[in-house]
Amino acid sequence: QVQLLQSGAQVMQPGASVKVSCKASEYSLIHNYIDWVRQAPGQGLEWMGRINPKSGDTYYVEKYQGRVTMTRDLSSNLAYMELNSLTADDTAVYFCARRPPLMMAGPCLDVWGQGTSVTVS
Amino acid sequence: QSALTQPASVSGSPGQSITISCTGTSSDVGDYDYVSWYQQHPGKAPKLIIFDVNHRASGVSDRFSGSRSGNTASLTISGLQAEDEADYYCISYISRNTLENFLFGGGTKLTVL
Repeated sequence: QVQLLQSGAQVMQPGASVKVSCKASEYSLIHNYIDWVRQAPGQGLEWMGRINPKSGDTYYVEKYQGRVTMTRDLSSNLAYMELNSLTADDTAVYFCARRPPLMMAGPCLDVWGQGTSVTVS
Repeated sequence: QSALTQPASVSGSPGQSITISCTGTSSDVGDYDYVSWYQQHPGKAPKLIIFDVNHRASGVSDRFSGSRSGNTASLTISGLQAEDEADYYCISYISRNTLENFLFGGGTKLTVL
């Protein structure tokens, strides 16, 4: 069963950095874009950006440019999202999600990780 | 303020049909065939239910359907069941030159009475 398995919850101090991992299971990471989405407590979903695991090319939402870095380790089938200079406003659940191949569907998010809770306090 | 506008809440009784709207502009919802819908139960990850405006994701009940008219996309759930109670989000994808974006709706809470 295709899955994305994320790292566990973290509590961080203001000003610190957090790195969340996302492991592709039962498929090769290289074949699909990985997007990162966050959800603050009681709020809606917010897109942060994406990485093309094949090339390493990234696109970040302007709000996060300069503060977020998305990377991948193809040998381990892992994608990472690192967010720096954390504030209380970064307290949220962070999701990684996969895009299906373009031959199957237009840009959407067909498989989601279980989410990683990040608390900044 | 979200890029796409959804009603904050809708409700219906078991067996009834409901429709959730998702309003954008002629530059996003009205211009791209890339509207998708997601269901999210409390404490869970979102689940894709509709992609490319009106295509059901694998394994999704045919009680769920998507459509679009102009700048407004809609998700219809027929034969409401208790398990449909959840939050629903629409997303529109846009790409112009070097700019790309997933625009999210603010989410709609569906209550099954």
